[in-house]
Amino acid sequence: DADVTQTPRNRITKTGKRIMLECSQTKGHDRMYWYRQDPGLGLRLIYYSFDVKDINKGEISDGYSVSRQAQAKFSLSLESAIPNQTALYFCATSEQRGGLYNEQFFGPGTRLTVL
Amino acid sequence: SQKIEQNSEALNIQEGKTATLTCNYTNYSPAYLQWYRQDPGRGPVFLLLIRENEKEKRKERLKVTFDTTLKQSLFHITASQPADSATYLCALGVSGYSTLTFGKGTMLLVSP
Repeated sequence: DADVTQTPRNRITKTGKRIMLECSQTKGHDRMYWYRQDPGLGLRLIYYSFDVKDINKGEISDGYSVSRQAQAKFSLSLESAIPNQTALYFCATSEQRGGLYNEQFFGPGTRLTVL
Repeated sequence: SQKIEQNSEALNIQEGKTATLTCNYTNYSPAYLQWYRQDPGRGPVFLLLIRENEKEKRKERLKVTFDTTLKQSLFHITASQPADSATYLCALGVSGYSTLTFGKGTMLLVSP
């Protein structure tokens, strides 16, 4: 089974709808991240969390919110989806131990289309 | 402003040759740099990490160099194979910050 899972894998929604993307991990990592990837723009950090009580905004948090329900679960919400939020969304995890240098483990991604 | 630059054009090479990918940065003082591989429609996969006090790191056919004077990292794949075809991302980590900043990636195409 995959260590980092994302649901749904694909989603088509309409402008103005609320949508939640979910991420679960079995790696036992404390740190979790949400990124979006757009052609020509690369991976950009939306939100990150270093433990259940710690939530931080990333580079592009406007229009998004997150919830860290447990160590293993980190959800990303679009309160009112708009077409320019159409993108590939990735969840990632990393260990707390070792500090800065730890690699990130990515989920398979959610392809979101907002019409 | 801070920038991370990777070749936007795809790199096409023949099987068996050495592929060299470049990651340049400006207005950063990275504590470390990571390289990831990404296949189409999939999440990035970690390959190598190099710290600011290291000049070179190797792992099997992969080699990474880090020149903080030139503000550049080079990523080499020796004896390249068609299975090495993918997009390769560099990511910088800065002291005092706990997140990575990714470059846009370079696509590598290895032809038989």
